[in-house]
Amino acid sequence: SQTIHQWPATLVQPVGSPLSLECTVEGTSNPNLYWYRQAAGRGLQLLFYSVGIGQISSEVPQNLSASRPQDRQFILSSKKLLLSDSGFYLCAWSGQGEKLFFGSGTQLSVL
Amino acid sequence: AQKITQTQPGMFVQEKEAVTLDCTYDTSDPSYGLFWYKQPSSGEMIFLIYQGSYDQQNATEGRYSLNFQKARKSANLVISASQLGDSAMYFCAMREGHYGQNFVFGPGTRLSVLP
Repeated sequence: SQTIHQWPATLVQPVGSPLSLECTVEGTSNPNLYWYRQAAGRGLQLLFYSVGIGQISSEVPQNLSASRPQDRQFILSSKKLLLSDSGFYLCAWSGQGEKLFFGSGTQLSVL
Repeated sequence: AQKITQTQPGMFVQEKEAVTLDCTYDTSDPSYGLFWYKQPSSGEMIFLIYQGSYDQQNATEGRYSLNFQKARKSANLVISASQLGDSAMYFCAMREGHYGQNFVFGPGTRLSVLP
């Protein structure tokens, strides 16, 4: 069966520090991969999605970037975090025409 | 423009009663999918129900049903016999295109079930 792993669960980082969040999927090949951000009590904002290795689509211009070095690995990065980067980050995957399967999320606090 | 609208920021329902959570959507694509997800306080996103744009019947999954009115572009979630564990945020989402990659979410409705 397919599983999605996302880590860490919580992260506290100072302003200006780098960020790397990793997400991996098991049990499927060539998934569509997604990064969403959720502000407290709000909806999900799509940040990036990828339909294949090295293929990244950015939905929101900001100081975050994403990479897909392997078929089932999706990484969210930043060189210098801002206070406004705080939030709940969710990784997700889908097959063709299927629903989204979500990871357990990372609560990022930038102080 | 908002593609998914959920006009109820918060809803209350008495335990064992039914509740309807509203969702309207906007798309010009004839092929699309509509989804509802539940997010309890733990933060996990739990898939509840799916409706395809060409589906003739309203989707049902246990206590969840989707009231799909295509002409009105609405896809309301109906929860029957509410339980305390149903208290959570509920998100309506849409995927455009039969194999579309882009999933757009609404702002969510916080449902509170009262004992």
